[in-house]
Amino acid sequence: LAKTTQPISMDSYEGQEVNITCSHNNIATNDYITWYQQFPSQGPRFIIQGYKTKVTNEVASLFIPADRKSSTLSLPRVSLSDTAVYYCLVVPNTGFQKLVFGTGTRLLVSP
Amino acid sequence: DTAVSQTPKYLVTQMGNDKSIKCEQNLGHDTMYWYKQDSKKFLKIMFSYNNKELIINETVPNRFSPKSPDKAHLNLHINSLELGDSAVYFCASSHSGPTYEQYFGPGTRLTVT
Repeated sequence: LAKTTQPISMDSYEGQEVNITCSHNNIATNDYITWYQQFPSQGPRFIIQGYKTKVTNEVASLFIPADRKSSTLSLPRVSLSDTAVYYCLVVPNTGFQKLVFGTGTRLLVSP
Repeated sequence: DTAVSQTPKYLVTQMGNDKSIKCEQNLGHDTMYWYKQDSKKFLKIMFSYNNKELIINETVPNRFSPKSPDKAHLNLHINSLELGDSAVYFCASSHSGPTYEQYFGPGTRLTVT
């Protein structure tokens, strides 16, 4: 499984756009990039997943460059409720799913 | 309306006791998981079942025994509890297949004294 590296923490203010970058230099051809969000005292929640270029849903956008060695989760106009830990995961597109969570990025949104 | 539910939410017990945590999902998924999140917030997979069959068994002490009576339920029984077992245990479920999103339960906070 490809190892992921992301910042331990980030600070932002309400209304700003937040970009969290994750590096995964050893990503394999069949691997997908997946992001989960975890609020305190709750289980993780799926945010977005992509293979290449750009994916957008109602919550976030995921940008993946051509070499796929990194990815950026973009949260538009964050609010206080976006304060959480964000995990970047590389998921092989083979066999049974096994999520390997790293340390994640702790995002703190202030007023 | 609950998707993945766990009982109990909190569990406080003494060393050496045996305890169980129950998990149920009403999403129609055929794969279920147990994760452990320790005090340092590291989240690690323990077990996974697909259609009631064990498919992932990480390096977990054999004091931990999962049981899946049907596709909608996955229970975790822990024998001879130790202090180091104190953690939050999350159940999750998904459709089978490597890239389906997992839905997590609210967690069970286990404290061993």
